[in-house]
Amino acid sequence: DQQVKQNSPSLSVQEGRISILNCDYTNSMFDYFLWYKKYPAEGPTFLISISSIKDKNEDGRFTVFLNKSAKHLSLHIVPSQPGDSAVYFCAASGYPDKLIFGTGTRLQVFP
Amino acid sequence: DADVTQTPRNRITKTGKRIMLECSQTKGHDRMYWYRQDPGLGLRLIYYSFDVKDINKGEISDGYSVSRQAQAKFSLSLESAIPNQTALYFCATSPGPRDGRKLYEQYFGPGTRLTVT
Repeated sequence: DQQVKQNSPSLSVQEGRISILNCDYTNSMFDYFLWYKKYPAEGPTFLISISSIKDKNEDGRFTVFLNKSAKHLSLHIVPSQPGDSAVYFCAASGYPDKLIFGTGTRLQVFP
Repeated sequence: DADVTQTPRNRITKTGKRIMLECSQTKGHDRMYWYRQDPGLGLRLIYYSFDVKDINKGEISDGYSVSRQAQAKFSLSLESAIPNQTALYFCATSPGPRDGRKLYEQYFGPGTRLTVT
């Protein structure tokens, strides 16, 4: 039973444009959500997070939006850069403070 | 120096062999985790430990065991390796609650690529 879903395994975006990565979850008890970025041959690195009491959090080019009624979050990257090409995982905090990860979306930013 | 280190980085072993993957951290975090990554399945939790005396099973603990030798060290063992344990394994740490705030960010090591033939 996949509690955190990333339905798009891959996304290709032109440099300078917006990248939008989506994530859906099923457990209404999740209260904290995170995005991680992973390059080949490296471990995932924390990118940005959002608490369930907020609907938006912004950090530079990265913005995460949370729609609790739809159980949906998204990561916006504006403008996209070639260095953003990586696999992105969304994660949700469950009980007791464990993270449940999605299956990942591979983003490719081309010139 | 890396905050979370894993050894070995790559390992090929045969079915039935016992193998240990090691993780060390210098972040001073109490919480440590072991995950495996498989194509199309994301990161799945094998075991986690919130302090030296606290070990808990994750969603896919069968066939694995762990040892928390110290706050900084958390080892994962495959007692009798089988081919479907071929995967990328990650160790992670997190600070846990601090000052009444919940801090869920986890910090990952570089991973161990394990192949069981």
